[in-house]
Amino acid sequence: AQRVTQPEKLLSVFKGAPVELKCNYSYSGSPELFWYVQYSRQRLQLLLRHISRESIKGFTADLNKGETSFHLKKPFAQEEDSAMYYCALRGVSNTGKLIFGQGTTLQVKP
Amino acid sequence: DVKVTQSSRYLVKRTGEKVFLECVQDMDHENMFWYRQDPGLGLRLIYFSYDVKMKEKGDIPEGYSVSREKKERFSLILESASTNQTSMYLCASSVSGGAGDTQYFGPGTRLTVL
Repeated sequence: AQRVTQPEKLLSVFKGAPVELKCNYSYSGSPELFWYVQYSRQRLQLLLRHISRESIKGFTADLNKGETSFHLKKPFAQEEDSAMYYCALRGVSNTGKLIFGQGTTLQVKP
Repeated sequence: DVKVTQSSRYLVKRTGEKVFLECVQDMDHENMFWYRQDPGLGLRLIYFSYDVKMKEKGDIPEGYSVSREKKERFSLILESASTNQTSMYLCASSVSGGAGDTQYFGPGTRLTVL
């Protein structure tokens, strides 16, 4: 079964501290993985996707097929990073259907 | 810039009422989706549509139906609203095919069923 697990409901760090939001997935093929973010009073939006291998707002995420993980990392958290973060998986299909994790709220304290 | 709009930001309905949630996108996207967003449960897919008049059930379709008569519009219908359908409802759209296609979300409709 396809599944995405984000084990932490809430992650609270101080400004300037490193951040790692965990994401584990279950999928038998080659998945596409994404991170979506929702800032307060804003709509959900794409943060980054693994195939792009890009860094967005200082965040990176590496797909580890051996550990079936796609953790989101940032070396120095900023207060404006406070938001809800969702990890999502897309299997091989043309429907664009995504499976989302439960979400992790990141709280960056001053 | 992709725009996905939802007809209401807040809605309050009574148990047993028929409820319509409307979603419109302006980027000619083939795919459209309806999700529920609940704390601790994340986003759960209710229904999606990959073409006009085409629909497929998501993970939690019970108590819901959908309609897609035009490419830009995807409606979610609660035939007889119940209190356990109180939630935030998000609509999204995306292009069809290709690797890494992005879903674009609407602002959400917070539905309260009394």
